[in-house]
Amino acid sequence: LAKTTQPISMDSYEGQEVNITCSHNNIATNDYITWYQQFPSQGPRFIIQGYKTKVTNEVASLFIPADRKSSTLSLPRVSLSDTAVYYCLVGEDTMAGAGSYQLTFGKGTKLSVIP
Amino acid sequence: DTGVSQNPRHKITKRGQNVTFRCDPISEHNRLYWYRQTLGQGPEFLTYFQNEAQLEKSRLLSDRFSAERPKGSFSTLEIQRTEQGDSAMYLCASSPSGGLGDTQYFGPGTRLTVL
Repeated sequence: LAKTTQPISMDSYEGQEVNITCSHNNIATNDYITWYQQFPSQGPRFIIQGYKTKVTNEVASLFIPADRKSSTLSLPRVSLSDTAVYYCLVGEDTMAGAGSYQLTFGKGTKLSVIP
Repeated sequence: DTGVSQNPRHKITKRGQNVTFRCDPISEHNRLYWYRQTLGQGPEFLTYFQNEAQLEKSRLLSDRFSAERPKGSFSTLEIQRTEQGDSAMYLCASSPSGGLGDTQYFGPGTRLTVL
């Protein structure tokens, strides 16, 4: 089963770019890498997903090197409202051929944005 | 609002009582997932449905837990003879197809407190 390792916490000042790196040494060929954001007492919110190279959307960028054993979530110019827990996940196809896509969350990275 | 909805948002019960939670997924999403999250931890997978069929259950799901999705639309999660250890946030998510790279969208959760 693919597992992920990411820093427990990070601090950043408002307006800075924040990069959160996740290690997933045992990622499988078919696994996608997905990042979620979670605020207290809310469900996780999808941020971005990628398979390889670089993906960018309106809120973040995701950098994935060629070996796919790590990935970096980049948040440009963070604001106080970006204070949250960020989870890196890789898909687990637990039932080959049946398309199961069970998500396994770790403890995430608690990002604190400081004014 | 066309997102995933969950009811109730909060539930307080006494040990030994039965509780039932409801999840309404995003319209036309075939996949529906249940997760449980305790304080300071990431969500843990419990079970998922493809339309009305329950295809997988976590080993974490004891016999006191049962989930249904009778018409392939909304789902219910019932916990019988609740225990204090059942206190957690119960999250529901849905996705369009469940294929590789499929994105799960989470609801706001139901917070259960067992006294």
